[in-house]
Order: sequence, then structure tokens, then C-alpha cells
Amino acid sequence: AQSVSQHNHHVILSEAASLELGCNYSYGGTVNLFWYVQYPGQHLQLLLKYFSGDPLVKGIKGFEAEFIKSKFSFNLRKPSVQWSDTAEYFCAVKGSSASKIIFGSGTRLSIRP
Amino acid sequence: DARVTQTPRDKVTEMGQEVTMRCQPILGHNTVFWYRQTMMQGLELLAYFRNRAPLDDSGMPKDRFSAEMPDATLATLKIQPSEPRDSAVYFCASGLDMGAITPLMNTEAFFGQGTRLTVV
Repeated sequence: AQSVSQHNHHVILSEAASLELGCNYSYGGTVNLFWYVQYPGQHLQLLLKYFSGDPLVKGIKGFEAEFIKSKFSFNLRKPSVQWSDTAEYFCAVKGSSASKIIFGSGTRLSIRP
Repeated sequence: DARVTQTPRDKVTEMGQEVTMRCQPILGHNTVFWYRQTMMQGLELLAYFRNRAPLDDSGMPKDRFSAEMPDATLATLKIQPSEPRDSAVYFCASGLDMGAITPLMNTEAFFGQGTRLTVV
């Protein structure tokens, strides 16, 4: 069965600090991986996705993530955060031969202005 | 601008009443997901469909919840009878999953705005 683990429940950073949010998954096959963002009171929106090819994926708003197959990880990074990045971030995994998409528990990111 | 549409956006109901939430997936998408979001449990997958067939509803309390897709443009999630612990935001999402046939056509899940359910 597939599962996703996000290590950080709440991260607090100052503006311009660098960000890395951890995500590890469990699945015994080829995967598709996603990072979604949920701004307060809103629905989930896709930040970036990995299906195949270059393991370093660039998304919207300056975010990127790196798929490291040997570590079953897909960590999210941003070199310099802004106050507007305050939100909850969800990592998700889908087995490439299945339809089910499972989400991690989320990481709440708070940015101090 | 294609989007997943959920109705109602907000629902307040009394314990014991039936609640029906509706979702219109993006045209052309063949997978539909129902998720429930609460502070305590996060984002839980309740059920999902592919080509209108239910594939997995193991995340759903069977005695009171039911999910259906009467046609390709409508998915419903019903709770009968509702209980205060069902209070949550319910999200519907849709996507295109062609599996290994044409993997380049596969997409992520696109989320609706959610239905905020409060059972009093």
C-alpha cells in the first residue's frame, strides 16, 4: 500500500530564508509525485509534479523539488521565501499503474514579515 | 477555464439529517476522488472512481456514507444519517489517468473549492 510521510508539521521562517520541506513515500513501484499548496480558506492547488525524466522539477512561484529514488524522497525547496508563501503544503504520491492519490499530513508554513 | 465544481459550498445541518454533496468533474477527466479534510486527520481519501466505476471506498464509513457517479458529469457523496463528527471540508478532485497506455496524457488531481459541512 502506498503512503506518504511529511516530517515537519509546522515550519516558521523569516522572509528571504531558504525552505526545504521533507517528503518520503512508500510504494513498491514506479511513482508519480506531487506537491500541492493550500492557502488559508482555499482549495488545494498544484505547485509541481514529477512523472518521469529529470528528477529535479521546477514548479510555480519559484518552488522546486528533487526526486531521489534511492531515498524514496521528494523534498520541496525554495531559495528565498516570501510572506505570501504562508500556507499549508501537501506532498502526494500515485503509483503509476494505479489511480489512487494519497496525501501526506501536510506541513504548515508560517513566514514572519 | 476548466474547473471542478462542487455544491453546496457550505452546509449546516442537524444531526440525523441526510446530506448530499455534488461534484462536476472537469470534462474529459476519467478519475474522480472524494477527500475529507479535518484538523485532526488531515486529508483523507474517502473514495475514488475511474471511468465511473468505484475502485476503492475503503476510506469511507460504509454504514452511513455512499459515493456514486450516476453519469460522467456528476459525482455524489451522501451521508445518511449525518453526525457531528462528520463536520469537515469535503473536497472533490478529478484527473485523467490513462495508466501505462499513454502515460504522457496522465494529469494531476484538480481540486474543487470544497463543501464545508457542519453537523450540529
